[in-house]
Amino acid sequence: NAGVTQTPKFQVLKTGQSMTLQCAQDMNHNSMYWYRQDPGMGLRLIYYSASEGTTDKGEVPNGYNVSRLNKREFSLRLESAAPSQTSVYFCASNGQVNQPQHFGDGTRLSIL
Amino acid sequence: AQTVTQSQPEMSVQEAETVTLSCTYDTSESNYYLFWYKQPPSRQMILVIRQEAYKQQNATENRFSVNFQKAAKSFSLKISDSQLGDTAMYFCAFMKHDRNDMRFGAGTRLTVKP
Repeated sequence: NAGVTQTPKFQVLKTGQSMTLQCAQDMNHNSMYWYRQDPGMGLRLIYYSASEGTTDKGEVPNGYNVSRLNKREFSLRLESAAPSQTSVYFCASNGQVNQPQHFGDGTRLSIL
Repeated sequence: AQTVTQSQPEMSVQEAETVTLSCTYDTSESNYYLFWYKQPPSRQMILVIRQEAYKQQNATENRFSVNFQKAAKSFSLKISDSQLGDTAMYFCAFMKHDRNDMRFGAGTRLTVKP
């Protein structure tokens, strides 16, 4: 069982480059999420998609865009990467509101 | 906005002993959900336990149990018979009822010593 799959696992970018992080889940979940994790801080929600066709801003959406391509896939795009976006990014999903979220293994993104 | 505070950045415990991790939160809501997630060095986020605020009974999952004090807005995690595999970062998280956005604390790094 794959669960939540994120690609790539690691990426290094130069300032100003663009990048799309991919996430796919095979659990038929309605909701999907993107978080970032920085040292000394918990995960912070960037964007989420409560259902196919909808997206909403989370706590730290600036500098990011998302696309809910279909029920399975939810991508996160950095249009012009900045060093402040160096972080570990996690994708998650759940079937219903208030149910536990299932997480991917994370993407470590470094921006030079 | 809801905030979640974990006041212990690091803790250690001897194998087979019991340890309690603290978590407090701030909310004006009466109905919500609380979670503890474990993040081992592999970086995976693994659900440890879940508590629904309207339930007075403390949740338990094998060696893991919580002490949920709603009036005090406290949600501590007790790990009994600690094992080396329990070494990880532990995150407390809060979610309002009927909402998708979850707020996490900064985490507690737990080391279990042999």
